[in-house]
Amino acid sequence: SQTIHQWPATLVQPVGSPLSLECTVEGTSNPNLYWYRQAAGRGLQLLFYSVGIGQISSEVPQNLSASRPQDRQFILSSKKLLLSDSGFYLCAWSHKGGQPQHFGDGTRLSIL
Amino acid sequence: SQQGEEDPQALSIQEGENATMNCSYKTSINNLQWYRQNSGRGLVHLILIRSNEREKHSGRLRVTLDTSKKSSSLLITASRAADTASYFCATDNSGAGSYQLTFGKGTKLSVIP
Repeated sequence: SQTIHQWPATLVQPVGSPLSLECTVEGTSNPNLYWYRQAAGRGLQLLFYSVGIGQISSEVPQNLSASRPQDRQFILSSKKLLLSDSGFYLCAWSHKGGQPQHFGDGTRLSIL
Repeated sequence: SQQGEEDPQALSIQEGENATMNCSYKTSINNLQWYRQNSGRGLVHLILIRSNEREKHSGRLRVTLDTSKKSSSLLITASRAADTASYFCATDNSGAGSYQLTFGKGTKLSVIP
């Protein structure tokens, strides 16, 4: 069966520091991969998605970037975090058929 | 902008009662999905209904879709305390090859034992 792992579960970072969140999927190949951000009490905002290695589509211009160095690895990064980057970050995958999406347990990011 | 908008924002019911949540959207869709999120956790897919379907069942869940009104409802029958969670609708209105979903803000359901 397929599984998705995100780490770390929680992260506290100072303003201006770099960020690297990692997501890996097991049990499937060539998945679509997604990064979302969820603000408190809000829905999910799609940040990036990828249909293949090295292929990244950005949905929202921001302080963040994403990379897909391997088929089942998706990384969310920032060179310098802002206070507004605080939130709950979720990684998800889907088959090439598109739906449904399967989510990791998220990373709670707090910027001080 | 949000494609799916859930209603109500919060719902509190007694265990054993039925819970109904509604979702409205604005543009044509390929399918509509419902997800559940326990506090502090990721989302779990519940059910997907395609644009040419009107009703779908899965266990205690019943989803309806009215494309003429651009709305969907999620009914949870005989609710349990374990159903306490936030429920989100998500619409797939993307073109071929992108498979993006647009999520609403969710309905927070509390089931009181």
